[in-house]
Amino acid sequence: EVQLVESGGGLVQPGGSLRLSCAASGFTFSSYWMHWVRQAPGKGLVWVSRINSDGSSTSYADSVKGRFTISRDNAKNTLYLQMSSLRAEDTAVYYCARVMDGDYGGFDYWGQGTLVTVSS
Amino acid sequence: SYVLTQPPSVSVAPGKTARITCGGNNIGSKSVHWYQQKPGQAPALVIYYDSDRPSGIPERFSGSNSGNTATLTISRVEAGDEADYYCQVWDSSSDHRVFGGGTKLTVL
Repeated sequence: EVQLVESGGGLVQPGGSLRLSCAASGFTFSSYWMHWVRQAPGKGLVWVSRINSDGSSTSYADSVKGRFTISRDNAKNTLYLQMSSLRAEDTAVYYCARVMDGDYGGFDYWGQGTLVTVSS
Repeated sequence: SYVLTQPPSVSVAPGKTARITCGGNNIGSKSVHWYQQKPGQAPALVIYYDSDRPSGIPERFSGSNSGNTATLTISRVEAGDEADYYCQVWDSSSDHRVFGGGTKLTVL
């Protein structure tokens, strides 16, 4: 059974840092491109970042570029999102998601999400 | 950047057909994916590559994409279909994924 389990969320002050993790199981993690998507309370889904299967290529939404870093450890079957210079507007549930077909298909599996709250 | 426009809400009576649109410039040239999100849950893929259904998704869910509009159609709507629905594409010019603003489907 495919499972994605996020962790690392919590309360952080503006300007602070946080690292999210997404532990993958039930599939060959190293074969899949992965994404982070966030959802502010009561709002819609917003794409954040993606990484290719071997970690050599990344892409970021303009709103997080230069502040967030996506990475992966295929030996540990884990995806990461390092977040720095956090702002109140980064408050959201962060989901990791697997792409079904290279980087062209839909996101066929999602984690349950981890809440990040940026507040003083 | 590429923009996807969805109606904020759609209402439909049980047993009827719901159509949720997703507008974008020449969206017919892109592959559209649709997600269903129920309260307190993660999103779930219901349509990929415009019109394909993942295993386990009822045949009542279908999709189409042409010109400047993609459409998610839900036939014989049930109370359990009440949820938020999001369209998504890959914008090749920016190498970004883009989501529509979401549509709340209400079953009357």
